[in-house]
Amino acid sequence: AQSVTQPDIHITVSEGASLELRCNYSYGATPYLFWYVQSPGQGLQLLLKYFSGDTLVQGIKGFEAEFKRSQSSFNLRKPSVHWSDAAEYFCVLSGTYKYIFGTGTRLKVLA
Amino acid sequence: ETGVTQSPTHLIKTRGQQVTLRCSSQSGHNTVSWYQQALGQGPQFIFQYYREEENGRGNFPPRFSGLQFPNYSSELNVNALELDDSALYLCASSLDSGRFDEQYFGPGTRLTVT
Repeated sequence: AQSVTQPDIHITVSEGASLELRCNYSYGATPYLFWYVQSPGQGLQLLLKYFSGDTLVQGIKGFEAEFKRSQSSFNLRKPSVHWSDAAEYFCVLSGTYKYIFGTGTRLKVLA
Repeated sequence: ETGVTQSPTHLIKTRGQQVTLRCSSQSGHNTVSWYQQALGQGPQFIFQYYREEENGRGNFPPRFSGLQFPNYSSELNVNALELDDSALYLCASSLDSGRFDEQYFGPGTRLTVT
């Protein structure tokens, strides 16, 4: 089965605090994984992607993600959150001819 | 290189009507995929077209149909609109249809059915 699970529907952090958004996937072959961000009323913006190689990938806006095959996880991290990071975050798996999206994690940032 | 564009931005229709949403892919991209994103949910795959033929379909009824044209434009048609069809519709283009072909998303069309 091909699936993506984001266990946290909502996360609230204070500005300047660190952030980790969880993602677990199920796929029978080497996964091709992405993190996208969507601000209210906006389209999708690609933060980073992983196919192979280094398990720690760097993205835009100071985000990084770590791929752990043994845990089937691809968690997104940021060391210091800014108020402008408040948005919906989607973990995505490239499956057979389609992208499979997680349900999303809505991030709220407290001033 | 221009990105993926979609029109219109917003649309309001009445239940039972038909609607056509349009997408312009990046030049040279042979594949277009359509997704439906209901409020508060992640995008769900509707179908994919590769070189003007439907290449794969998600769990959507036949009243959702599509067309892809040689000039890198495409359409999503929805007949007999239902209230639950209210959503953001996203198209994405890619060079080919393999899973390693990155999809590039348009800004979406927000459809409201009343």
